[in-house]
Amino acid sequence: AQSVTQLDSQVPVFEEAPVELRCNYSSSVSVYLFWYVQYPNQGLQLLLKYLSGSTLVKGINGFEAEFNKSQTSFHLRKPSVHISDTAEYFCAVRGGNYKLTFGKGTLLTVNP
Amino acid sequence: GAVVSQHPSWVICKSGTSVKIECRSLDFQATTMFWYRQFPKQSLMLMATSNEGSKATYEQGVEKDKFLINHASLTLSTLTVTSAHPEDSSFYICSASFEDLGGNEQFFGPGTRLTVL
Repeated sequence: AQSVTQLDSQVPVFEEAPVELRCNYSSSVSVYLFWYVQYPNQGLQLLLKYLSGSTLVKGINGFEAEFNKSQTSFHLRKPSVHISDTAEYFCAVRGGNYKLTFGKGTLLTVNP
Repeated sequence: GAVVSQHPSWVICKSGTSVKIECRSLDFQATTMFWYRQFPKQSLMLMATSNEGSKATYEQGVEKDKFLINHASLTLSTLTVTSAHPEDSSFYICSASFEDLGGNEQFFGPGTRLTVL
């Protein structure tokens, strides 16, 4: 079984500031890790994923995440956020059974 | 590519009626489809996993007789909420995946908001 903990339920930042959304996971097997973004009343859009290889993963919209196996973390970062980045962000882990387990989400609010 | 649609995008129904939600993979054949439920300001909870031509596998605590899932083809899965009650009001999201070397990524539909009066 696996679980995901998103340490911050809400993260307010100012426009053009850097942001980090934290995600820790636990699993007894090798995992794939994902970050999704959800805009109000919409489905989920994949930002990036870690399957194997380089631990630094670059995604869409200028986001990147780093897989840290020793700390079981997969934190999402962006060096400079825009108003349009305001959304809910979900970290997810997938084990060997193809099921995704989601964290509770982090609401990123970018203020002008 | 890898687009998933849901229909309807929103539905309002009376208590006791049944509602069907469709999930379609538009440009790929989905070997597996997933149905999630999302309460306001909460995460997605997996309800069931379905493979084309076989019975759905429901997560613990999900009533299979209330949430009927049919995966009739490689591009269509339906979720029917039977005898709906106000507590069934929620945002239902489907996803679809296929066997590939990319980690069997799930592609998500836009969701269906169900309101039961």
